[in-house]
Amino acid sequence: AQSVTQPDIHITVSEGASLELRCNYSYGATPYLFWYVQSPGQGLQLLLKYFSGDTLVQGIKGFEAEFKRSQSSFNLRKPSVHWSDAAEYFCAVGRGSQGNLIFGKGTKLSVKP
Amino acid sequence: GAGVSQSPSNKVTEKGKDVELRCDPISGHTALYWYRQSLGQGLEFLIYFQGNSAPDKSGLPSDRFSAERTGGSVSTLTIQRTQQEDSAVYLCVQETNYGYTFGSGTRLTVV
Repeated sequence: AQSVTQPDIHITVSEGASLELRCNYSYGATPYLFWYVQSPGQGLQLLLKYFSGDTLVQGIKGFEAEFKRSQSSFNLRKPSVHWSDAAEYFCAVGRGSQGNLIFGKGTKLSVKP
Repeated sequence: GAGVSQSPSNKVTEKGKDVELRCDPISGHTALYWYRQSLGQGLEFLIYFQGNSAPDKSGLPSDRFSAERTGGSVSTLTIQRTQQEDSAVYLCVQETNYGYTFGSGTRLTVV
């Protein structure tokens, strides 16, 4: 069955520290991969996406993610977290017109001063 | 328009009433999804429209939920006899050449 797992429900990091949010997926084919961010009371904003090609993807706000086929993972990273990064982050996988977009349950990021 | 529009943005309804949520998608793209996000929860797939194909209704939680897409454009999600557990943000999502574009959602509150 197709699924997305975000193992960490809540992560707290210090401002300026590095960040890695984990995402693992189960999918029948190489999927399209996405990371979205949702700030409190706001809608979903696309951070980055992977369709094909270079497995290291750069996104907005200094985020990047690496697709590792052998590990079925698409972890999100940022070298130095800012207080404004506090939000909930959702990993999603899809295959365009061949299937629906499946979301993980999200990881809530808190940033301490 | 440039994005996916949803209306109303907020809806408060009494338990047992019917509600209709509307999605105006970007023209020229055929794949459209409805999701809902309950408080503190992730996004739950509801239904998927792709062109003239029969919609994938596998995510609809009960027969009180239905959706249609007229002329391959505007979509409406109807919830009959609303229950308090239907309270959530309902999101319309359209697939484009660049990925997925989200509407701003309709926040439904059933009291």
